[in-house]
Amino acid sequence: DAKTTQPTSMDCAEGRAANLPCNHSTISGNEYVYWYRQIHSQGPQYIIHGLKNNETNEMASLIITEDRKSSTLILPHATLRDTAVYYCIVRLRGNQFYFGTGTSLTVIP
Amino acid sequence: GAVVSQHPSWVICKSGTSVKIECRSLDFQATTMFWYRQFPKQSLMLMATSNEGSKATYEQGVEKDKFLINHASLTLSTLTVTSAHPEDSSFYICSARDEAGGTQYFGPGTRLTVT
Repeated sequence: DAKTTQPTSMDCAEGRAANLPCNHSTISGNEYVYWYRQIHSQGPQYIIHGLKNNETNEMASLIITEDRKSSTLILPHATLRDTAVYYCIVRLRGNQFYFGTGTSLTVIP
Repeated sequence: GAVVSQHPSWVICKSGTSVKIECRSLDFQATTMFWYRQFPKQSLMLMATSNEGSKATYEQGVEKDKFLINHASLTLSTLTVTSAHPEDSSFYICSARDEAGGTQYFGPGTRLTVT
């Protein structure tokens, strides 16, 4: 299973775009990139996932590099409610998840 | 859509007693559900994979006789912490896999405190 590397923490000004990077240099061709976030004392919330194409939904955009060795989650206009720990997970579709330490994002007023 | 519930949201029990936690997928069927545990300031740790109609698969180091898992229907999995001890106090989170898309959706978690 591909291992992911994320920065431990990041800050972002309210209203600005938050760009959260994830490295997954050992990803295999049929492994998906999933992003979840966990707000304090709650269960993780699904954000977005993708295989090789860039994806966008109402919450965020996912940019995957052409070689698939890294990706970036973009929250276009961060709000205080986006303060959370963001997890990047690379897995075969449907398989169990193993969580890393994620990135603690703090949105600053 | 894709809502997963857990009950109870928090529970306090005495050492030596057993506690059952329920996980339900409310608007989709889940052949597979997962149970996680999270200690303060740590990440989620996968405990076991729960398969409807068959025995659960436990991660290395997780005692199957202590953490009993039953997945009796396509919308319900239960985790029973038997003979609970204070070190079992933790945040227990379940997830259910949407078979259509393969995405996991998580419940809100259950805070267990053993006194």
